[in-house]
Amino acid sequence: ELKVEQNPLFLSMQEGKNYTIYCNYSTTSDRLYWYRQDPGKSLESLFVLLSNGAVKQEGRLMASLDTKARLSTLHITAAVHDLSATYFCAVGSTGANSKLTFGKGITLSVRP
Amino acid sequence: NAGVTQTPKFQVLKTGQSMTLQCAQDMNHNSMYWYRQDPGMGLRLIYYSASEGTTDKGEVPNGYNVSRLNKREFSLRLESAAPSQTSVYFCASSVNRDRKGHSPLHFGNGTRLTVT
Repeated sequence: ELKVEQNPLFLSMQEGKNYTIYCNYSTTSDRLYWYRQDPGKSLESLFVLLSNGAVKQEGRLMASLDTKARLSTLHITAAVHDLSATYFCAVGSTGANSKLTFGKGITLSVRP
Repeated sequence: NAGVTQTPKFQVLKTGQSMTLQCAQDMNHNSMYWYRQDPGMGLRLIYYSASEGTTDKGEVPNGYNVSRLNKREFSLRLESAAPSQTSVYFCASSVNRDRKGHSPLHFGNGTRLTVT
């Protein structure tokens, strides 16, 4: 059974500083996604990572994937208030089925 | 382009009542999903449908039934609501695999259900 763990579950960040959050998964997978959710809203897709060593960047966020370690990291550069949200990673089971298993999410709060 | 549309947005039920959550997508996606989101639990898969005419249980199917009415629509039914089913329910859809080998989920806006 595929399990996805995220840590920490809550992170208070200071504006302007850099941070990294983590996503571990338990079994082989061929794709990993990062989603963002604002309070009371739906989930928005941020990144899809498909291969070992994949790196994607969008603004102050950079995601990477190490399939051998079964680990993805989301690096935040110079945090700003707009990045305050909950971030989920989701890992796909192998095979033709598209089912994703989500982590519990990491809530980021950026303070001045 | 509407994407994934869920109805209703909010619902309050009494224990034992039944209701159906509706979901429709207009992106010609093959796969559809129902997730529930509870504080501190992330999203947990209730049921999914890999293609029209097929449905399968996810992680937490007890107390729910689903119907894949056609390619566009996937409904979730609570036959006898319980307080433990108080949650936010999200419908999502995706193609099974595109040529790049990935299939991102597109989410609806959610249904906030309270069972008293």
